[in-house]
Amino acid sequence: EIVLTQSPTTMAASPGEKVTLTCLASSSVNYMYWYQQKSSASPKLLIYYTSILASGVPDRFSGSGSGTSYSLTISSMEAEDAAIYYCLQLTSTPPITFGSGTKLEIK
Amino acid sequence: EVQLVESGGGLVQPGRSLKLSCAASGFTFSNYGMAWVRQTPTKGLEWVASISTGGGNTYYRDSVKGRFTISRDNAKNTQYLQMDSLRSEDTATYYCARHEGPFGFFDYWGQGVMVTVSS
Repeated sequence: EIVLTQSPTTMAASPGEKVTLTCLASSSVNYMYWYQQKSSASPKLLIYYTSILASGVPDRFSGSGSGTSYSLTISSMEAEDAAIYYCLQLTSTPPITFGSGTKLEIK
Repeated sequence: EVQLVESGGGLVQPGRSLKLSCAASGFTFSNYGMAWVRQTPTKGLEWVASISTGGGNTYYRDSVKGRFTISRDNAKNTQYLQMDSLRSEDTATYYCARHEGPFGFFDYWGQGVMVTVSS
């Protein structure tokens, strides 16, 4: 089973600040996927195939990485970006595995 | 508009059964693999099971193998999760999710349904 480790666990950013979230895989994966979950809502697809923005996602979000190291970057933090962010891998399945999440708060 | 609506959750005693349903609309259901994902405050998001487009192939996480059964009825645009021999650790919010294509990433999620296993 591929374990995904996200860091930091929690962070706070000021409006306009650049934010980088990291997801490390225990073994190499082909792609990484990112989801955003606000309050008690269901997760929403943010980025697929490592760097492609899902429909309707603002272009201040971007994804990058390869092998075992991937990142999600917000170029300029906005209040509406406060949420929990999860990474997901499908390379070695089953099981499909998620990271434990990064809680991003606004300062 | 893609919609996934779960139902069937509730409070159940340990060892008992519960069946979840997920009604899909807004897309050609039979063209997509489907899945169940659960979430708890302590374990976060956990993939539970997936089913292929025609229902012939199913996949489970180890902790639910032999206890949970995923199925689908393409004529009714509905997938199901039969949960038997429930344990307290199965307590979670269960989400219905659509695979992109046959078995890709999850591109749409339902609103979730709560399952509580307690005496």
